[in-house]
Amino acid sequence: GAGVSQSPRYKVAKRGQDVALRCDPISGHVSLFWYQQALGQGPEFLTYFQNEAQLDKSGLPSDRFFAERPEGSVSTLKIQRTQQEDSAVYLCASSLAAGSYYNEQFFGPGTRLTVL
Amino acid sequence: AQKVTQAQTEISVVEKEDVTLDCVYETRDTTYYLFWYKQPPSGELVFLIRRNSFDEQNEISGRYSWNFQKSTSSFNFTITASQVVDSAVYFCALSEGGGADGLTFGKGTHLIIQP
Repeated sequence: GAGVSQSPRYKVAKRGQDVALRCDPISGHVSLFWYQQALGQGPEFLTYFQNEAQLDKSGLPSDRFFAERPEGSVSTLKIQRTQQEDSAVYLCASSLAAGSYYNEQFFGPGTRLTVL
Repeated sequence: AQKVTQAQTEISVVEKEDVTLDCVYETRDTTYYLFWYKQPPSGELVFLIRRNSFDEQNEISGRYSWNFQKSTSSFNFTITASQVVDSAVYFCALSEGGGADGLTFGKGTHLIIQP
């Protein structure tokens, strides 16, 4: 597709359930990022991949959060044993290159997660 | 650690007025990148501009202009002759080092353009 796509767009989970959020980056983009955006706040960085390598996961809030990008394209963010504080919009972004050029990040529409 | 401050939580102006959105940043790196993104009600973040720390030239793109001043650590965004379609939340963001890092966002400024 032309842009970054994410699925599902909306997800409602009961507290304690596991969820998996999918991101399809722009074709050919090397870098992929996950962000968490709470209501009324700016996005906060979670983790970063360069191809299949997860180079930075410093923003993941707990060990219940796990991300992977096994073939260097599609990425999945998994949240285990969801809690109410996990309710947020999860944004995925991709950029063309790993270095300083073409480092504009293009964002997907996000997945709105609501934990009841 | 890096930080981005957008002190204006919400701005409301009447259509055709000019409006400036403020952004102040903090970083210890000498090489960094600054960005502005627009988030309309649909929720998708739209890239507007990127600036690197070595390029202090101001930029104009149509009704949009950006003023980067390293001396005051500011990267302000001005919309001239605002239109209702400009209504959105605008985010300023910072990336340190080589520019491939995750972005640090401000809290955003909600801009309301009244007809």
